[in-house]
Amino acid sequence: GAGVSQSPRYKVAKRGQDVALRCDPISGHVSLFWYQQALGQGPEFLTYFQNEAQLDKSGLPSDRFFAERPEGSVSTLKIQRTQQEDSAVYLCASSLVVGGWVEQYFGPGTRLTVT
Amino acid sequence: DQQVKQNSPSLSVQEGRISILNCDYTNSMFDYFLWYKKYPAEGPTFLISISSIKDKNEDGRFTVFLNKSAKHLSLHIVPSQPGDSAVYFCAAISTGANSKLTFGKGITLSVRP
Repeated sequence: GAGVSQSPRYKVAKRGQDVALRCDPISGHVSLFWYQQALGQGPEFLTYFQNEAQLDKSGLPSDRFFAERPEGSVSTLKIQRTQQEDSAVYLCASSLVVGGWVEQYFGPGTRLTVT
Repeated sequence: DQQVKQNSPSLSVQEGRISILNCDYTNSMFDYFLWYKKYPAEGPTFLISISSIKDKNEDGRFTVFLNKSAKHLSLHIVPSQPGDSAVYFCAAISTGANSKLTFGKGITLSVRP
């Protein structure tokens, strides 16, 4: 069956540009998570959705980061006025259950490079 | 402040031998621990987990040991196979309200044929 997909897989942005990263979770999965993985580091939590509700955005590093999941399915992570420190792999994960922290399925990630 | 630490960045073992990957944590509120495996250009995939009420969990070639007093866990792979070559992440969570997964930096395992 189809897993979590993310697009684009690679994105190069000039500093100051806005970017939008898309996540298609597994169909029917209630929970959706975004993570940021810097080079040589483990994934770090950004935000969590339960259906369309953003229940936790405590990991978003600044107000330039914004995430939405308007219909409880596809999610978009938007970064405004990108900075070099935003360069990272952005991972999306989904889970069938509410919370679902221990039953997450990860997508392949979007590698963002800010030049 | 790294709450989950994987202090060895890499490990190389011979095919057929045991691989031991170590992980330490500092937050005593963590009560559930997971290991993820990651191949290049793919997302992490769940490998094995352990609850803090246990000290061992086994699944085929993979066994995770938990030493709560030392705040230490380890993943044993026996026998190691070349297909096990990947980055392994240790992760931990406190399964209460506002919980979230905290990952270590990962260990790159290379299994030599």
